[in-house]
Amino acid sequence: NAGVTQTPKFQVLKTGQSMTLQCAQDMNHNSMYWYRQDPGMGLRLIYYSASEGTTDKGEVPNGYNVSRLNKREFSLRLESAAPSQTSVYFCASRAGTYLYNEQFFGPGTRLTVL
Amino acid sequence: QQPVQSPQAVILREGEDAVINCSSSKALYSVHWYRQKHGEAPVFLMILLKGGEQKGHEKISASFNEKKQQSSLYLTASQLSYSGTYFCGTPGGVASGTYKYIFGTGTRLKVLA
Repeated sequence: NAGVTQTPKFQVLKTGQSMTLQCAQDMNHNSMYWYRQDPGMGLRLIYYSASEGTTDKGEVPNGYNVSRLNKREFSLRLESAAPSQTSVYFCASRAGTYLYNEQFFGPGTRLTVL
Repeated sequence: QQPVQSPQAVILREGEDAVINCSSSKALYSVHWYRQKHGEAPVFLMILLKGGEQKGHEKISASFNEKKQQSSLYLTASQLSYSGTYFCGTPGGVASGTYKYIFGTGTRLKVLA
């Protein structure tokens, strides 16, 4: 099992460009999440999908959109990238939304916006 | 709002103990703890549930006081491998009305030889 995979690993964009970050999990998990982590900072929730077919805003959703393509895949789109979106983006999944379900993280995508 | 962790950073010598605290302004129904090594993704350490149930797989202990909306992680006889940033995670649920999963502000821990 690969667990949670993310593509690409690194990306450099110019201001105003758009891109989609891909995330997939092979653990048959119901819930998926997108976080950003700025240098020396904690993890901030961007969007999440509690179950297939649903998506909800997290704490910092502005400038992003998401798509829960199927149970396995959850993508994050930056429509018009800004330097403030330079960050490391982590995708995570959980078996479900029960209190005992922990997060499993992908390796992250390091994004730089010039 | 993110739960606040304290201290923000701590430096230890091998064999010393440390306590990391996680405090929330909202009700907590369970607390999860993670460790992140530099340049890597966070890795799960432990789950604490109401009633004291604890699920984990490392020689690290923790406590959860739901009335005070706090949790503490206890690292005893620290090893070099304990170095990293520790995060508490707070899952939502039916009782909270949201399925957001929010992480605390983080605590950087460095263990010196």
